[in-house]
Amino acid sequence: KAGVTQTPRYLIKTRGQQVTLSCSPISGHRSVSWYQQTPGQGLQFLFEYFSETQRNKGNFPGRFSGRQFSNSRSEMNVSTLELGDSALYLCASSRTDSTEAFFGQGTRLTVV
Amino acid sequence: AQSVTQLDSQVPVFEEAPVELRCNYSSSVSVYLFWYVQYPNQGLQLLLKYLSGSTLVESINGFEAEFNKSQTSFHLRKPSVHISDTAEYFCAVSDSGAGSYQLTFGKGTKLSVIP
Repeated sequence: KAGVTQTPRYLIKTRGQQVTLSCSPISGHRSVSWYQQTPGQGLQFLFEYFSETQRNKGNFPGRFSGRQFSNSRSEMNVSTLELGDSALYLCASSRTDSTEAFFGQGTRLTVV
Repeated sequence: AQSVTQLDSQVPVFEEAPVELRCNYSSSVSVYLFWYVQYPNQGLQLLLKYLSGSTLVESINGFEAEFNKSQTSFHLRKPSVHISDTAEYFCAVSDSGAGSYQLTFGKGTKLSVIP
């Protein structure tokens, strides 16, 4: 069974640009969550999607947004990038009847 | 709101020695507890979890953690570490009644096993 797939693995963007990250969950998993990992703040919850609906949102500015498609694949978008958005962005998927979250390898975003 | 405190940011330990990574949490509701491990340039892997029942939970690679409700702790232990255990370990909680999968993580503990 394939794991959670995040693309791209690495990304370099310029301040002010926007970026879209993609996450393909494990087949059959309907919940997808996103986390930002930085050395200073650690792992912080961004948002969770379930059946194409945002079910929960963390404390991030509106520049951070996401969506989920009918096949459970998810994208997150960051507009007007700032240097502080440089981070490892992790996606996790979960089955409806399970408490376990399976994480992808992440997308490392560098903003210059 | 929930919070997780991992008391040690770095723990060096000699190979074959025992180790304990400490985790305390704060929550006004009932929680599930997790330990995740992260190897360099990798995502997170679930090590073990406490949902209910026996307060001592074990992983397949020799780690164990004990849920202590009165002390709101979930410390991770291993009686004898290997070089391959060198990684960063994260303690996390989620609201057991929320119906969502939001995890609140501690800041992590870097375990360095010295040959």
